[in-house]
Amino acid sequence: DTGVSQDPRHKITKRGQNVTFRCDPISEHNRLYWYRQTLGQGPEFLTYFQNEAQLEKSRLLSDRFSAERPKGSFSTLEIQRTEQGDSAMYLCASSPTGQGPDTQYFGPGTRLTVL
Amino acid sequence: RKEVEQDPGPFNVPEGATVAFNCTYSNSASQSFFWYRQDCRKEPKLLMSVYSSGNEDGRFTAQLNRASQYISLLIRDSKLSDSATYLCVAFILTGGGNKLTFGTGTQLKVEL
Repeated sequence: DTGVSQDPRHKITKRGQNVTFRCDPISEHNRLYWYRQTLGQGPEFLTYFQNEAQLEKSRLLSDRFSAERPKGSFSTLEIQRTEQGDSAMYLCASSPTGQGPDTQYFGPGTRLTVL
Repeated sequence: RKEVEQDPGPFNVPEGATVAFNCTYSNSASQSFFWYRQDCRKEPKLLMSVYSSGNEDGRFTAQLNRASQYISLLIRDSKLSDSATYLCVAFILTGGGNKLTFGTGTQLKVEL
């Protein structure tokens, strides 16, 4: 399967714990995005990487959230001191470099439940 | 006010019906628009792009009205397999890169 993959698919944690999610984009895609989706809402943009550079961060990304893409390939999203409000689906998407809008391909998501 | 607004539905329609979804966007700097489809507990998948001239893909027709900041999706001869949430999406080229802004989605249920 050459699509976007995410790991784990599900994560249940207790409030206050740290969690880390991984995203492997489509291999030739330079751009990588993280979104968060809660029930009944559309995905909300969190952050964007072009290669290893994090070029944009949403105000939704509080100090407890950090994302990395150290080698310009896979990316990790860490949430420190999780809160119940962090419970959501975390979606990763990738797209190839190009001018103008490009199709973003989404991974299956990591569903986080904070107890 | 949300940047992209949609009626959440659900729209319950019989098989074979024609159904139309509408969407409005508030940021006039939005450059391109898309419809994504999302099945229950799955990731969003691109359904089609939306152009001012209107575009059609089989049973699906999308239309953009920039003056009214309005986007539509028409589904003809609906199938049971069309049941899903349809997300209206605006694209903005920001200083840092590309940004997709999603609406809340409109839920469609096609029934026998």
